[in-house]
Amino acid sequence: GEDVEQSLFLSVREGDSSVINCTYTDSSSTYLYWYKQEPGAGLQLLTYIFSNMDMKQDQRLTVLLNKKDKHLSLRIADTQTGDSAIYFCAEFSSAKIIFGSGTRLSIRP
Amino acid sequence: EAGVAQSPRYKIIEKRQSVAFWCNPISGHATLYWYQQILGQGPKLLIQFQNNGVVDDSQLPKDRFSAERLKGVDSTLKIQPAKLEDSAVYLCASSTDLNTEAFFGQGTRLTVV
Repeated sequence: GEDVEQSLFLSVREGDSSVINCTYTDSSSTYLYWYKQEPGAGLQLLTYIFSNMDMKQDQRLTVLLNKKDKHLSLRIADTQTGDSAIYFCAEFSSAKIIFGSGTRLSIRP
Repeated sequence: EAGVAQSPRYKIIEKRQSVAFWCNPISGHATLYWYQQILGQGPKLLIQFQNNGVVDDSQLPKDRFSAERLKGVDSTLKIQPAKLEDSAVYLCASSTDLNTEAFFGQGTRLTVV
C-alpha cells in the first residue's frame, strides 16, 4: 500500500543544519516532494526530486534520495527562525500525491 | 500568475448542517485535487479531477461528501450533513497535468460544533 512516514518533531539550534527524514513505500513513485506549512497558511512546495536522481541542491536546501531504502531527506543549511514550520514529505504514487504526517521543526536560540 | 483561490477562508457550522467550499485553480491547470487536513495530520486526498472527470474518489465519504467540476475549471466540495469529525482544513490544489507539482490554495478551515 501507499504510506509515507516521518518523525513528528525536530529541534535545532539557530545556525545549525536541520535534517528531516522520510520513508515511503511505493518504489514506482516518480516524484518525491517536500512541502512547507507555516501556521495558518497553505502548503508551499519547497523542492522536489525525480526518482532517477540521487541528490538535488537548491540554495540552502539539499534533498537526498536513496531508492534502495526508499528514504528521502531534506537538509536545511544555516537554519533560521523563519524556517520554523511543519515540513511534509510526499510521494507521487498511483497518479496521486500521498503526504506524510509532517515534521514540526522548531528553532532554539 | 494568480494562485489557487479558495473561499471561504473560515466556516463555522453546527452538526447536521450543510456547507460548500469553492475552488478556482490556476488557469490552464487540468488536474484539481481536494484534500482534507485534520489538525496534527498530513493532508489526505478526498477527490481528484482531470478536467471535468473524476480520477480518484476512493477516499471520499460519499454518503455525505460530494464534489463537482462541471466545466473543468472551478470546483465545489459539499458536505451534507456535517459531523463533528469533519472539522478540518480543506485544501484545494491544481497542477498542469497528472504527475507534476501541485500548487495549493490557502484552504478553508471548517469547524463543526
